[in-house]
Amino acid sequence: LAKTTQPISMDSYEGQEVNITCSHNNIATNDYITWYQQFPSQGPRFIIQGYKTKVTNEVASLFIPADRKSSTLSLPRVSLSDTAVYYCLVGRSNDYKLSFGAGTTVTVRA
Amino acid sequence: NAGVTQTPKFRVLKTGQSMTLLCAQDMNHEYMYWYRQDPGMGLRLIHYSVGEGTTAKGEVPDGYNVSRLKKQNFLLGLESAAPSQTSVYFCASSSGLAGVETQYFGPGTRLLVL
Repeated sequence: LAKTTQPISMDSYEGQEVNITCSHNNIATNDYITWYQQFPSQGPRFIIQGYKTKVTNEVASLFIPADRKSSTLSLPRVSLSDTAVYYCLVGRSNDYKLSFGAGTTVTVRA
Repeated sequence: NAGVTQTPKFRVLKTGQSMTLLCAQDMNHEYMYWYRQDPGMGLRLIHYSVGEGTTAKGEVPDGYNVSRLKKQNFLLGLESAAPSQTSVYFCASSSGLAGVETQYFGPGTRLLVL
């Protein structure tokens, strides 16, 4: 399964856009990309999922280029409450195999 | 609707002791998972289950056993705890394969093995 690599940390300010890129060079045809958010002392929570091109929901956008070797989670106009760890997950659609990235700690400052 | 709950929240064990972590979900999900989370390593899948009475090994199954006697419960056992098993353990459930279906995670169990 594709090894997922993401930056360890990112700093931002309130109102800015935050973009987190995950690298998954060996992604397979059957693999999907999912992003989770985790606050301290809580379990991860689903943010967004995609296969290719762009997906947008009420909290984030996910950009996936044509070669699918990377993906970028975009958080528009972040607030202090967006301070969390964000995980990239590459998972297979036809078996249990999955690979979580090590997580990116996003710190939003006032 | 409690979602996914885990018991206990925190535990300290001595090397060689045994314990069972309990996970319960009230969403009628078929799939359940146990992960461990270690600093700098993300989440790694220990065992998973695709339905009542079924279990299977994940990425890091050694030293752990699981059981799924009831659809809503998934138990993780450590027969002889080792310091290397010090970690935060998360249970999750989903309606389908974790790669394509949303996983719902519990709050985690912090385990310290001395």
